[in-house]
Amino acid sequence: DTAVSQTPKYLVTQMGNDKSIKCEQNLGHDTMYWYKQDSKKFLKIMFSYNNKELIINETVPNRFSPKSPDKAHLNLHINSLELGDSAVYFCASSLAGYSSSRYEQYFGPGTRLTVT
Amino acid sequence: AQTVTQSQPEMSVQEAETVTLSCTYDTSESNYYLFWYKQPPSRQMILVIRQEAYKQQNATENRFSVNFQKAAKSFSLKISDSQLGDTAMYFCAFMNPYSGAGSYQLTFGKGTKLSVIP
Repeated sequence: DTAVSQTPKYLVTQMGNDKSIKCEQNLGHDTMYWYKQDSKKFLKIMFSYNNKELIINETVPNRFSPKSPDKAHLNLHINSLELGDSAVYFCASSLAGYSSSRYEQYFGPGTRLTVT
Repeated sequence: AQTVTQSQPEMSVQEAETVTLSCTYDTSESNYYLFWYKQPPSRQMILVIRQEAYKQQNATENRFSVNFQKAAKSFSLKISDSQLGDTAMYFCAFMNPYSGAGSYQLTFGKGTKLSVIP
């Protein structure tokens, strides 16, 4: 009954490859996110998405693209992987609106991506 | 753009003692949310506590409480009766959900590594 799940948890790949990370939430949330945590543990937003709009952080290379097949899923596709893409990638979700827990973001377990 | 500053890269505390982690932020907005997240060695990000800026009362969750000073733009986390399981990175985060597109995104500080010593 995991709330936010990600697959895979570890991903090792070579430069130039294309890879995807999947994220699913079963919380009924309406907004999902991708964050990148670098080697110094700094967390930075990459994307936020609900069924109305996709917000892209301007510093994210266009090799990164989120794709949402439905409200419960937000996958991250990365093309032409580079060494600098090595990081931990976190998916998160939240509920907007008027609930008492609105805006609280719940995170998946993270995917450690290593590009060699 | 909002910025969040955690000035203590590392801290340690004896088990059962109390420790306070500092966080300051910079914003021109009057309504916003502040959060503390915990990241233990397992890597999982865990929400610890939330504070709405329009509330004067400081948030409390069991052994965790905050000291929210809006005028000073300060949001510190106090952990009472520290336990070994509190050993983790702690991140302060800011959100302004009222500022339009992308406003639900969290802006994080760089984190404080807390070690609880037996």
